[in-house]
Amino acid sequence: DIQVTQSPSSLSASIGDRVTITCRASQNIRNYLNWYQQKPGKAPKFLIYAASTLQSGVPSRFSGSGSGTDFTLTISSLQPEDFATYYCQQSYSTPPYTFGQGTKVEIK
Amino acid sequence: EVQLVESGGGLVRPGGSLRLSCAASGFIFSNFEMTWVRQAPGRGLEWVSYISSSGDTVYYADSVKGRFTISRDNAKNSLYLQMNSLRDDDTAVYYCAREWVSDNGDYEVFDPWGQGTLVTVSS
Repeated sequence: DIQVTQSPSSLSASIGDRVTITCRASQNIRNYLNWYQQKPGKAPKFLIYAASTLQSGVPSRFSGSGSGTDFTLTISSLQPEDFATYYCQQSYSTPPYTFGQGTKVEIK
Repeated sequence: EVQLVESGGGLVRPGGSLRLSCAASGFIFSNFEMTWVRQAPGRGLEWVSYISSSGDTVYYADSVKGRFTISRDNAKNSLYLQMNSLRDDDTAVYYCAREWVSDNGDYEVFDPWGQGTLVTVSS
């Protein structure tokens, strides 16, 4: 099975900061990498698919990049509503579609 | 509006069984693959099981293989997860999610998700 390692597990940042989260797959998954956002007590929400394509309605301050084994989620200017936990997920080939361990973005 | 509503969670003793349901509305359920994902308290997301749109193809995480069974009733717009031989580490919020496919058919994501139903396995 493909393993996905996400880092850091948590980070503290201020409003307006640029935030970067990384995700590494255990093998080449081309660009079959998705990103989700989860707020406390809520279901996850899909943000990005194919490593860099934003879901309709997702603010443009979010961006994704990468291919192969290394991927990045960037928030260009952190807003109050962005404090949440972010998960990457690989969707290469057949299931299991494994998730990263999550990155909790907290207020500094 | 596309909506998924889970039910059936609760408290069960180790070794017991529980059947979760997920009622779908707002889309043509029979056209979509579906999945279950769980989240233990304070932990990350864990993919559990997948079922094809017709129900002919299923997959399971190793952690639940042989104990859980996924199924669907397209006439009732419903997804199910039969959970047997439950263990303490099955305690989690269980989400059902639709597998959305990109226009070119190449990419799949889980969207939307239900609100989740809590399963607690404890003596």
